[in-house]
Amino acid sequence: GAVVSQHPSRVICKSGTSVKIECRSLDFQATTMFWYRQFPKQSLMLMATSNEGSKATYEQGVEKDKFLINHASLTLSTLTVTSAHPEDSSFYICSARPRGSNEQYFGPGTRLTVT
Amino acid sequence: GENVEQHPSTLSVQEGDSAVIKCTYSDSASNYFPWYKQELGKRPQLIIDIRSNVGEKKDQRIAVTLNKTAKHFSLHITETQPEDSAVYFCAASTEASGTYKYIFGTGTRLKVLA
Repeated sequence: GAVVSQHPSRVICKSGTSVKIECRSLDFQATTMFWYRQFPKQSLMLMATSNEGSKATYEQGVEKDKFLINHASLTLSTLTVTSAHPEDSSFYICSARPRGSNEQYFGPGTRLTVT
Repeated sequence: GENVEQHPSTLSVQEGDSAVIKCTYSDSASNYFPWYKQELGKRPQLIIDIRSNVGEKKDQRIAVTLNKTAKHFSLHITETQPEDSAVYFCAASTEASGTYKYIFGTGTRLKVLA
């Protein structure tokens, strides 16, 4: 149980284009979903927290107009990187928290490369 | 906001020896402390966690201790094996606004030498 999927696993896009990453909880309903960014050999940096049906809460320094988050249902959240630039290249990981639990279950991550 | 520090950043041990990783946190309201293991290019996997009403928890070769007064918690791995080699992250979680968000430590790269 508690499986989280992410799609795509890898994506290469050109500078200036937008990329959408999907995060799904496959066997549970996720009250909250989180989006993290991880640079090589570094820690997971929380970008934003999203609750189903409400606007995402962004961490300090994260541009909400650049990283659009939609939590459309209790099993799906999407992150759209708009007008991507090479410095946006990173490993993006989502996690999902079931109702009533402290635990977060992580997706497999999406490696974004912007050329 | 919460700040989590983790030490050491790298740790090499001989197979069969013990490994200890330490974390400190700043927010006294934090009440849940998970530890994750991450292999290269893979998702973080929860290996053990502890809540603030408990001082120690053990699961086979892995144990975690928590000192709420000093605001630090530690991961102990005994009888290390080569497959324990990975990056380990601690995290602190606060039930702020009901979101339970995690703040991660900087990670420890553990290498178990055969």
